[in-house]
Amino acid sequence: DAGVTQSPTHLIKTRGQQVTLRCSPKSGHDTVSWYQQALGQGPQFIFQYYEEEERQRGNFPDRFSGHQFPNYSSELNVNALLLGDSALYLCASSLGGRPQAFFGQGTRLTVV
Amino acid sequence: RKEVEQDPGPFNVPEGATVAFNCTYSNSASQSFFWYRQDCRKEPKLLMSVYSSGNEDGRFTAQLNRASQYISLLIRDSKLSDSATYLCVVIADTGRRALTFGSGTRLQVQP
Repeated sequence: DAGVTQSPTHLIKTRGQQVTLRCSPKSGHDTVSWYQQALGQGPQFIFQYYEEEERQRGNFPDRFSGHQFPNYSSELNVNALLLGDSALYLCASSLGGRPQAFFGQGTRLTVV
Repeated sequence: RKEVEQDPGPFNVPEGATVAFNCTYSNSASQSFFWYRQDCRKEPKLLMSVYSSGNEDGRFTAQLNRASQYISLLIRDSKLSDSATYLCVVIADTGRRALTFGSGTRLQVQP
């Protein structure tokens, strides 16, 4: 049983560029959430997708957008990258309303 | 004030020691509580849920005090492999399913 998988694992981008990160949830899970973790901090909630719709959003600007596909996989897009966007981006999957979430290994984004 | 607050540590303890971490949360409507463990440069992994009655999983005991809005994690007989960052996590209420994380408490178990 594959767990949550994310791609790519590492990425280096230049300020102003755009980036797309991908996530495949754990088998049987239908809900995907994205988190940003800066160095030395706990993960911060970006948004959550369920049934291909954004169900909930954290305190992140509109430069951060996402999508969920019919197979429950998800993408996180960040436009106009800033140096401060450098972080570990984590995808978590869960089943419906259940609170337990399982995380992928993350994508480490560096903006230079 | 942060929604979930933890002492960042580090807690440096010898093998075999008992160590306790506390965490406080600000939203009294919070519904679900967890401890996650995160190894260096890895993803967080669910360690255990925290129930009002308290719960134990092997060497780990979690407690919830709703009146004081704090959560604790006790680790007995510490092992070298317990060295990690422990994240206190809260789900604010049933309408918000997002996990709210503390900044984590770093534990270093020494031989």
